[in-house]
Amino acid sequence: AQRVTQPEKLLSVFKGAPVELKCNYSYSGSPELFWYVQYSRQRLQLLLRHISRESIKGFTADLNKGETSFHLKKPFAQEEDSAMYYCAPYASNTGKLIFGQGTTLQVKP
Amino acid sequence: DGGITQSPKYLFRKEGQNVTLSCEQNLNHDAMYWYRQDPGQGLRLIYYSQIVNDFQKGDIAEGYSVSREKKESFPLTVTSAQKNPTAFYLCASRTERPYTEAFFGQGTRLTVV
Repeated sequence: AQRVTQPEKLLSVFKGAPVELKCNYSYSGSPELFWYVQYSRQRLQLLLRHISRESIKGFTADLNKGETSFHLKKPFAQEEDSAMYYCAPYASNTGKLIFGQGTTLQVKP
Repeated sequence: DGGITQSPKYLFRKEGQNVTLSCEQNLNHDAMYWYRQDPGQGLRLIYYSQIVNDFQKGDIAEGYSVSREKKESFPLTVTSAQKNPTAFYLCASRTERPYTEAFFGQGTRLTVV
């Protein structure tokens, strides 16, 4: 069965502190992995995708196939990073796109 | 103005009634999805469709039905068989060009009384 786990419901840090949002997945084959973000009163939107190896708004995520993890990291959190973050594996062979339980990131001033 | 539109934003229904949630997109995307969002449970996949006239059950399809007669539209019916229908429902469409990305509607909050 395809599963994704985000173990932290809430992550609270002070501005300037490093942030790591954890994501572990269980998938047959090689899924594409994404992080989506939902800011207050806005639609859910793509933050970054593992295949692009990009850094968006200072966030990066490394795919660790051995540990089946795709943790999201940022060295210095900003208040505007406060949002709900979802890890999402996508199976291109089935078209199935699932989401984790989500982690609320709260960045305090 | 391109995008994905869900209507209505709020919906109230009496217990035992079927209700249909609308989802329309003008992004020319083949794939569309329905999710249910509950506090602490994230987004759970109800149904998805990769092409017109075809759809697959997601992880929590019981009590729901869909149709995909047109590329632009993917309505979701919450039937009376759904035991706990009060929730926030999100629709999405997906593109693969130039990269895979899902685009979401603003959601419909359904309350069954």
